[in-house]
Amino acid sequence: DIQMTQSPSSLSASVGDRVIITCRASQSISAYLNWYQQKPGQAPKLLINAVSSLQSGVPSRFRGGGSVTDFTLTISNLQPEDFATYYCQQSYSFPRTFGQGTKVEIK
Amino acid sequence: QVHLEQLGAGLLKPSETLSLTCAVSNASFSDHYWSWIRQPPGKGLEWIGEINHRRTTYYNPSLKSRVTISIDTSRSQFSLELNSVTAADTAVYYCAAGTIYFDLWGRGTLVIVSS
Repeated sequence: DIQMTQSPSSLSASVGDRVIITCRASQSISAYLNWYQQKPGQAPKLLINAVSSLQSGVPSRFRGGGSVTDFTLTISNLQPEDFATYYCQQSYSFPRTFGQGTKVEIK
Repeated sequence: QVHLEQLGAGLLKPSETLSLTCAVSNASFSDHYWSWIRQPPGKGLEWIGEINHRRTTYYNPSLKSRVTISIDTSRSQFSLELNSVTAADTAVYYCAAGTIYFDLWGRGTLVIVSS
């Protein structure tokens, strides 16, 4: 299985901050990397697929980048509705695997 | 707009079989792969497996011996069965559309395994 490791596991930030979440794959996954946002009591929501392709309706302050094994999710100008847990996920091979999540909390 | 509605029981005893169904509306079954994903309370996401309209399945090896995913195209539904459940199977179970990425999700069903 491909292991996905996110860092940090949690972070505290203020409205207006820029935050960067990293995701490292245990082997090359090309561009098969997706990002999800999950709020308490809700299903995850797809934000970005294929490293950097923003889903329709997702604000442009979300940006994905990286390649091969190292990827980032950058949230610029953090808004109150962005406080949530974020997961990366690889679809390069089966089984599909997720990172352990990064919880973005209000400072 | 595509909608996934989850059906099924949420309280099981150890050794019983978990059975959940996801009813799909406003979507062409052949246009998507259909997946199950679970999340233990307070923990991360675990992919269980997927099926397509040709009934081709892929399962997580960690669950493969206990899992069956099936599809009923005539009713636009797909289902999950997980047998011999234990407390470790307590989780919110989600159905989702997709294989390369999961762009549509059901609301989730909390399944508790307790004696």
